[in-house]
Amino acid sequence: SQQGEEDPQALSIQEGENATMNCSYKTSINNLQWYRQNSGRGLVHLILIRSNEREKHSGRLRVTLDTSKKSSSLLITASRAADTASYFCATDEPRQLTFGSGTQLTVLP
Amino acid sequence: ETGVTQTPRHLVMGMTNKKSLKCEQHLGHNAMYWYKQSAKKPLELMFVYNFKEQTENNSVPSRFSPECPNSSHLFLHLHTLQPEDSALYLCASSQQTGYTDTQYFGPGTRLTVL
Repeated sequence: SQQGEEDPQALSIQEGENATMNCSYKTSINNLQWYRQNSGRGLVHLILIRSNEREKHSGRLRVTLDTSKKSSSLLITASRAADTASYFCATDEPRQLTFGSGTQLTVLP
Repeated sequence: ETGVTQTPRHLVMGMTNKKSLKCEQHLGHNAMYWYKQSAKKPLELMFVYNFKEQTENNSVPSRFSPECPNSSHLFLHLHTLQPEDSALYLCASSQQTGYTDTQYFGPGTRLTVL
């Protein structure tokens, strides 16, 4: 069954604003990953957060993980038009990466 | 570039055709994957190969036949497909098949079945 589920399905913001996407999952995980996909292209790995970590940063990205709520969030600060893409969370249960349906982010110039 | 290439990038085929998708990774990885991505649906894992051995087959119809001749190359042979098989087919690789491994994706093959 599908593990990760992103929310919202679509998000439109102005350049310079922050974008927050959420991911909820159903069962215990060892780690959670976020990926980005530009239209019609392959996915690109952004960040991995382990189950014993609560927050992780990478450049303008900030990921949080709350294992008690089985949820994660991806924050992109000071967004740019080039951040326009779909963003997916992926969890590692049962023995493979399971992706959600993604959040389509549109950053308007 | 992620180090994973896929050919062709676009493919249109009839339901009676036979075609193959090719994936090559230049990262020295040991695991390779085929995914199917349909509009507004989650990414679906189709096959997993680890050290050239198939380790996962997620109930994929037999009209899709994978082949992994070595750790760097992965093929997906297609025959008698259905229009609902139209999708973006993504190949990925990782160092191992462990759950902590980051996967590196190719650009995908956009398949249209008429």
